[in-house]
Amino acid sequence: QQQVKQSPQSLIVQKGGISIINCAYENTAFDYFPWYQQFPGKGPALLIAIRPDVSEKKEGRFTISFNKSAKQFSLHIMDSQPGDSATYFCAATDTGRRALTFGSGTRLQVQP
Amino acid sequence: GAGVSQSPSNKVTEKGKDVELRCDPISGHTALYWYRQSLGQGLEFLIYFQGNSAPDKSGLPSDRFSAERTGGSVSTLTIQRTQQEDSAVYLCASSLEGGGGRAQHFGDGTRLSIL
Repeated sequence: QQQVKQSPQSLIVQKGGISIINCAYENTAFDYFPWYQQFPGKGPALLIAIRPDVSEKKEGRFTISFNKSAKQFSLHIMDSQPGDSATYFCAATDTGRRALTFGSGTRLQVQP
Repeated sequence: GAGVSQSPSNKVTEKGKDVELRCDPISGHTALYWYRQSLGQGLEFLIYFQGNSAPDKSGLPSDRFSAERTGGSVSTLTIQRTQQEDSAVYLCASSLEGGGGRAQHFGDGTRLSIL
């Protein structure tokens, strides 16, 4: 029940295109859903996060869509740039536990 | 401002030796977390500190792993009698507590290699 399933494992997008990464969870106690971006040799960096009381959150080119009934959430990267090439992780946690449960990661490559 | 600082950035040691990994959280962050990142297992939670106490140690993989936090700030993760399967990147994160303080901010990790 603690799992967060992430897909796809890897993604190639042309510059200017839209990158979409999906995650699904089982634990209905999860109440905080962040996305992290990680470059090689660096720690994960918080990108954007959402709580289940909203269905969408947008920050610049990054948007989280959240579907509470389906227990799914996704990251959309608009106008993808080569500098966005990185590994992206979705995660989830709940107030009681605090520890993040991570998805398996998506390696995004944006081709110029 | 300064982010989460971890040292050393790289550590190579022989099987059976003990290692200590250090984490300096963001100033004022009362919560501190250790995670492990490996190719086979992805990102795994190890332990969570609130202040100096550890209410959640559920992710520690064996009794060879221990951690402490002193003064509500610096934390040390100790691995005794290291095994090759301990090779991984050990990541530390910190967060504010209360209000909107759920965001966990990560350091760049310690890459541990067991020969």
